[in-house]
Amino acid sequence: KAGVTQTPRYLIKTRGQQVTLSCSPISGHRSVSWYQQTPGQGLQFLFEYFSETQRNKGNFPGRFSGRQFSNSRSEMNVSTLELGDSALYLCASTWGTDNLYGYTFGSGTRLTVV
Amino acid sequence: DAKTTQPPSMDCAEGRAANLPCNHSTISGNEYVYWYRQIHSQGPQYIIHGLKNNETNEMASLIITEDRKSSTLILPHATLRDTAVYYCIVRVIRSGNTPLVFGKGTRLSVIA
Repeated sequence: KAGVTQTPRYLIKTRGQQVTLSCSPISGHRSVSWYQQTPGQGLQFLFEYFSETQRNKGNFPGRFSGRQFSNSRSEMNVSTLELGDSALYLCASTWGTDNLYGYTFGSGTRLTVV
Repeated sequence: DAKTTQPPSMDCAEGRAANLPCNHSTISGNEYVYWYRQIHSQGPQYIIHGLKNNETNEMASLIITEDRKSSTLILPHATLRDTAVYYCIVRVIRSGNTPLVFGKGTRLSVIA
């Protein structure tokens, strides 16, 4: 079956711009999470959505936002980009909501802010 | 902060078993132990998880000590493709998912 699909794979943006990243979960998975990975901070949780509702949010500024659609696809948006937002952004999906299942991650979107 | 402690790096000869330790001395009775790995430039990959019994799947075995304060992930016959960073994570059993808290993991190098 198809895995988690993230688009685009690579993106270059200018400081001050905004960006939208997309994630299509595995068919049947209703929970979608987003993570940021940088060399300095490692993998950090951004937010999680289930049934179009944000269930958890990490410690990131309000410039980072997300949403989930009725078909479980999710988008995250970063406004007013800063150089420090350069990172690999990973999306993960899972079937349930009780921590009993592993997450399947996509290959990520590598964002470079110049 | 991550609730686990792992060695920063390990080497393993190809074809031999790779044994990756994890210390989780403050684990609660209602917390699972999960293992993920991340191969360079890819997203993390779920490997296995367990509560208190040893677990085995097609990828690996998970051995959890009787007091649950530590565990070992075993890759029975390591190959070059198993070279990756391995993360040990504890997660509470509850209604509603909790985020994965990744530490620095163990960088496993499988050597030919």
